[in-house]
Amino acid sequence: GENVEQHPSTLSVQEGDSAVIKCTYSDSASNYFPWYKQELGKRPQLIIDIRSNVGEKKDQRIAVTLNKTAKHFSLHITETQPEDSAVYFCAASNTGNQFYFGTGTSLTVIP
Amino acid sequence: DTEVTQTPKHLVMGMTNKKSLKCEQHMGHRAMYWYKQKAKKPPELMFVYSYEKLSINESVPSRFSPECPNSSLLNLHLHALQPEDSALYLCASRQQYSGGSYNEQFFGPGTRLTVL
Repeated sequence: GENVEQHPSTLSVQEGDSAVIKCTYSDSASNYFPWYKQELGKRPQLIIDIRSNVGEKKDQRIAVTLNKTAKHFSLHITETQPEDSAVYFCAASNTGNQFYFGTGTSLTVIP
Repeated sequence: DTEVTQTPKHLVMGMTNKKSLKCEQHMGHRAMYWYKQKAKKPPELMFVYSYEKLSINESVPSRFSPECPNSSLLNLHLHALQPEDSALYLCASRQQYSGGSYNEQFFGPGTRLTVL
């Protein structure tokens, strides 16, 4: 089955700096890669996703890149703000119904 | 309506109790999921229903019993739980197309379960 690894597990950045979280996957059949932000006690919220036919996608301060050959994808947050502090999960999915989650990154943005 | 709802928000139960969690969506999604999540850990898949049929059971103990009465509703029946079953239980749904799913999963707000 699919194995998704996520690094780092914790990340602290100064407000205004950039944050990068990286994930690798093992199954070349995976074709959909969402990123979720989860605040304490709340549901995971989709912040950006990318499909395997695209190499990069951007939405304001958030971007995701995908390298299918190397089987890795990354989340980039620019101009970080304190409200970006949360746990971030990457995931991989194929045309089946299963989602495989990374282990999570706890991001702290220091004002 | 683009939302998955779950009831109750919080549930405290003893180890001998029987209770049920409820999930509902009216987006026409035909794949519905139950996840268990511990603090700061990723959601852990329990069950997947596809077109109201159980398609994935991740070796979940029989004290958890899922039910999908119709395409909009998903229940999780709980009986004789253990304190280690205390967690956030998340429901999710996803659209399905012929040829497979290829798109976003919508999460409900979760039920915070405490087993005493």
